[in-house]
Amino acid sequence: GESVGLHLPTLSVQEGDNSIINCAYSNSASDYFIWYKQESGKGPQFIIDIRSNMDKRQGQRVTVLLNKTVKHLSLQIAATQPGDSAVYFCAESGGSYIPTFGRGTSLIVHP
Amino acid sequence: GAVVSQHPSRVICKSGTSVKIECRSLDFQATTMFWYRQFPKKSLMLMATSNEGSKATYEQGVEKDKFLINHASLTLSTLTVTSAHPEDSSFYICSARDETGGRTEAFFGQGTRLTVV
Repeated sequence: GESVGLHLPTLSVQEGDNSIINCAYSNSASDYFIWYKQESGKGPQFIIDIRSNMDKRQGQRVTVLLNKTVKHLSLQIAATQPGDSAVYFCAESGGSYIPTFGRGTSLIVHP
Repeated sequence: GAVVSQHPSRVICKSGTSVKIECRSLDFQATTMFWYRQFPKKSLMLMATSNEGSKATYEQGVEKDKFLINHASLTLSTLTVTSAHPEDSSFYICSARDETGGRTEAFFGQGTRLTVV
């Protein structure tokens, strides 16, 4: 069925490097995408979102890229810091704006 | 961003008892709230959509008689796990959508770790 998934379950980077977390989605009807950060024992925290009429959106140290042709979403974190260590989820939604979560990628930042 | 408060953060209960989890939107009104369940190292699974003043909409496979949802006001939704059993042990997370000014962002509570012994 339709689903949202992630390519890499774990990503290890050095402090200061840039991180790229990828996500594939298969529901072509999705028109709103969100990245969340979840620290251990806490609820997801909104990072950045993008609508399907855009292919790039930038925030503070984060950039989301959307490639609708191949149904691919990525989150880029610049100058990754130890505090960025967490599990990152991409989520998609359609007209109902109810986030449907993908598998998650664990980002580990080594000092 | 908007604040969603969930209480309690942790609860341990005996098998067969019921547990109530509260979800509050602190600085906005939410006509719609969502309840998710998360197993260790897994993703969040939507259980139900809580609608203020009406019945909740449950996802396929979620027992509505076991997971009672009440959304009596625009700032409070509750999830009651009835006759809890060890297999109900999980991390439960609520979310509320701030629709002020046409916004669509969903904000999440800090989660409730339920352990049934």
